[in-house]
Amino acid sequence: AQKITQTQPGMFVQEKEAVTLDCTYDTSDPSYGLFWYKQPSSGEMIFLIYQGSYDQQNATEGRYSLNFQKARKSANLVISASQLGDSAMYFCAMREGMGTGRRALTFGSGTRLQVQP
Amino acid sequence: DTAVSQTPKYLVTQMGNDKSIKCEQNLGHDTMYWYKQDSKKFLKIMFSYNNKELIINETVPNRFSPKSPDKAHLNLHINSLELGDSAVYFCASSQESASRDGTYEQYFGPGTRLTVT
Repeated sequence: AQKITQTQPGMFVQEKEAVTLDCTYDTSDPSYGLFWYKQPSSGEMIFLIYQGSYDQQNATEGRYSLNFQKARKSANLVISASQLGDSAMYFCAMREGMGTGRRALTFGSGTRLQVQP
Repeated sequence: DTAVSQTPKYLVTQMGNDKSIKCEQNLGHDTMYWYKQDSKKFLKIMFSYNNKELIINETVPNRFSPKSPDKAHLNLHINSLELGDSAVYFCASSQESASRDGTYEQYFGPGTRLTVT
């Protein structure tokens, strides 16, 4: 079974609008972390935001926020006020057993976001 | 002040050759990883080392052999290269013990694009 599912292979958004990138996950571990990474066309992996399974509040980092719905096992990334530079591939990832265990990220298949002027 | 560096950035070689990719991190992290990103952009863990000890070894052909001479370095040697080995290989690192912020964020290197002809 897929541990991380990103159902949107591609998304378009107009500049200055908000966009939501979907991510659902599957784990039976009570302790886990969810990450979003951005991969621009240049290829590097850029960390955007993190949400821990025990965090009471949704994570925010500047224009990025994570809509964490634990019961639904979803961790959607919201980008507000999109900019042309946001055009990239976005990956949702999960790490199970925080502080112990597997110590590796499991990635989704990614969503390619294109911001249009 | 590169945090995680990889050499080379590009590697073009013929089938059957043996090649190595080097990774170094100057973050003082205790855990390092190799991930493979295939042509469809899917990222998957290959190996993980914690304090020079191998802790994750996914279903990877024996032709791939990681080596960690010290905590700051993790190299990947590939024997008898095959066409299917063509991919982007990412090195990453994280601090597992006494993580300051509890996120265990993984910092990625710029990637090495391997092309086997």
